[in-house]
Amino acid sequence: EVQLVESGGGLVQPGGSLRLSCAASRFTFSSYAMSWVRQAPGKGLEWVSGISGSGGSTYYADSVKGRFTISRDNSKNTLYLQMNSLRGEDTAVYYCAKGGAVAGLVHFDYWGQGTLVTVSS
Amino acid sequence: QLVLTQSPSASASLGASVKLTCTLSSGHSSYTIAWHQQQPEKGPRYLMKLNSDGRHTKGDGIPDRFSGSSSGAERYLTISSLQSEDEADYYCQTWGTGIVFGGGTKLTVL
Repeated sequence: EVQLVESGGGLVQPGGSLRLSCAASRFTFSSYAMSWVRQAPGKGLEWVSGISGSGGSTYYADSVKGRFTISRDNSKNTLYLQMNSLRGEDTAVYYCAKGGAVAGLVHFDYWGQGTLVTVSS
Repeated sequence: QLVLTQSPSASASLGASVKLTCTLSSGHSSYTIAWHQQQPEKGPRYLMKLNSDGRHTKGDGIPDRFSGSSSGAERYLTISSLQSEDEADYYCQTWGTGIVFGGGTKLTVL
C-alpha cells in the first residue's frame, strides 16, 4: 500500500524557518501531483500548497504565498515544504497528501500521518 | 467563490444509518468532491470521490457500508450499520484554482 512519511516538524521561533519532508513509497511518485495540508489544533483541514508530478507547476494558498515553497525530488521520491517567516498561525500538524492525478489539483487518495510544527517564542 | 458547507455535528445510534451532507456554493453544483474520514488522533483517510451524478469511486479497503450520492449542489455520504470506529470527523473536499475543504462534521455514534 502507498506510504507517505512526513518529517522535519518541531518548535521554531516566530520569523524562523523550517523544512518539511515527505518520503513516498509503493507508487510511481513522479506520476502524481502532491500537496501539503495542515490542521491547526482543534481546527479543520486547510490546504497549503500543491505541485504537479513533474514539479513544473506549483500552487499555493493565499495564506502562505511568498513565505512557503513546495518542491519535489522525483529521484528520491520525496516532497518538500520550505517554510520561511513563520508565524504563530502556522502552528499545525502538516500532512503530505497524494493527488489522484498527475497534474492539477484534484482529490487526495492517500495521506501521511502528519508532522507537528509549533511556532512560538 | 467555491465554498463547501457541512453541518458541524451529527449523531446516530450503533447499528443505524446516517447521512452526512456537503453543500457546494452557488454556481458550483456540477463539481466533483471527495470525502475523507479522520478518526481521533489520526491522519485523514480517503473514503471516496463523488461526482454530480452520484457515481462514486471508493478508496482502497473502504467497506461497502460507506456510499455516496448527489442531488443538485448537495453531496451525501451515507454510512450504514454504524460501528463505534465510525465515530470521527468527516470532511468533504473539492478543487478549482485551489483545494477547498468543508468545515467538517463530527459524527458521534451513540
